[in-house]
Amino acid sequence: EAQVTQNPRYLITVTGKKLTVTCSQNMNHEYMSWYRQDPGLGLRQIYYSMNVEVTDKGDVPEGYKVSRKEKRNFPLILESPSPNQTSLYFCASTRLAGLNEQFFGPGTRLTVL
Amino acid sequence: RKEVEQDPGPFNVPEGATVAFNCTYSNSASQSFFWYRQDCRKEPKLLMSVYSSGNEDGRFTAQLNRASQYISLLIRDSKLSDSATYLCVVNLNTGGFKTIFGAGTRLFVKA
Repeated sequence: EAQVTQNPRYLITVTGKKLTVTCSQNMNHEYMSWYRQDPGLGLRQIYYSMNVEVTDKGDVPEGYKVSRKEKRNFPLILESPSPNQTSLYFCASTRLAGLNEQFFGPGTRLTVL
Repeated sequence: RKEVEQDPGPFNVPEGATVAFNCTYSNSASQSFFWYRQDCRKEPKLLMSVYSSGNEDGRFTAQLNRASQYISLLIRDSKLSDSATYLCVVNLNTGGFKTIFGAGTRLFVKA
């Protein structure tokens, strides 16, 4: 089954404790992206990657890091989480050709205390 | 000004009604356009792509006006199952591939 998976689905942590949210897709998509969704603000792009070892900032990259060492994986790293990073996070992937439909993971609900 | 702006919601309509959503975008580098549907904090899912020539999928019709930088979605004969948040989405060709989402419009269809 074609899918995007994220782990963990729910996470409660404390300020300053490094964490990683994993994202994996099995569709051989070149493009992957991370978004955060906050009430009233919609989804905002954090980082995206157009292929292995190619990453770029979205609209809200501060406080986040990403890496793309393999085509299928695109982890989101919070080196020192803060309460303003409490949010719902989505990973997505798509083929680059034709700027097509993005397929989203199920989301990760993160709470930073 | 937000790069992608949508009608404020929520829209409350009876079953069978026709409802129209509007969206405007401001970046001239906007290259491709979509409507996504999102149910209750679940992941967004593509409803339809939007083309200048207009496109229809059953009860749903989408239209793009590049000159006015305006995108629309029309839902005819609304069903209870259409209740969701509708997201207007724009992909920017800036040398990279940035995606901008509108904040979404909530639709409630009532019996």
